[in-house]
Amino acid sequence: DVKVTQSSRYLVKRTGEKVFLECVQDMDHENMFWYRQDPGLGLRLIYFSYDVKMKEKGDIPEGYSVSREKKERFSLILESASTNQTSMYLCASSPRDRMGETQYFGPGTRLLVL
Amino acid sequence: GNSVTQMEGPVTLSEEAFLTINCTYTATGYPSLFWYVQYPGEGLQLLLKATKADDKGSNKGFEATYRKETTSFHLEKGSVQVSDSAVYFCALTRGEYGNKLVFGAGTILRVKS
Repeated sequence: DVKVTQSSRYLVKRTGEKVFLECVQDMDHENMFWYRQDPGLGLRLIYFSYDVKMKEKGDIPEGYSVSREKKERFSLILESASTNQTSMYLCASSPRDRMGETQYFGPGTRLLVL
Repeated sequence: GNSVTQMEGPVTLSEEAFLTINCTYTATGYPSLFWYVQYPGEGLQLLLKATKADDKGSNKGFEATYRKETTSFHLEKGSVQVSDSAVYFCALTRGEYGNKLVFGAGTILRVKS
């Protein structure tokens, strides 16, 4: 079974803190994704990585950065957390570039920024 | 760019009722289409998919047919159960490098016993 794990299910942080969200997949997938999920907006892509050390901005990258030093691990970094970054964050992975390939999701991290 | 619109919820049904959740899309080329489901407290999981026109995806009693002429991929189930209560997302490939998806806003389904 494909497994995507996220380091925390719930996080509470203060405004201005640096926040790290970690994601690990065990299926040797090339592609990894970070989304945020907000009611009424669905999932929006923050960043995408297609290989180690390779990344692309998604639709809403402002205020975020990412790191992919190993193939199985993709980290999302909030450089200086703000209250408008309170959200559910979902990580996903998929094999490289076969159109129609499924994305596999982690359980999500619910982040509250106070 | 490619986009998807799905019906707003919440949708509330009684057990054994018929379910339809509408999904329409705009796209260039020939996207693949997906329905993902999110059960309470969990991440998304693939429910079904279709990769070309007229394909029917099916799983767990749910079905959806890729209709290019109406640009639709409506989700249906003949008899819903309480355990189907979840959020359902329609999605399609963007046609860009990397198998990226664009998601609809999600439809909450509540099934009462």
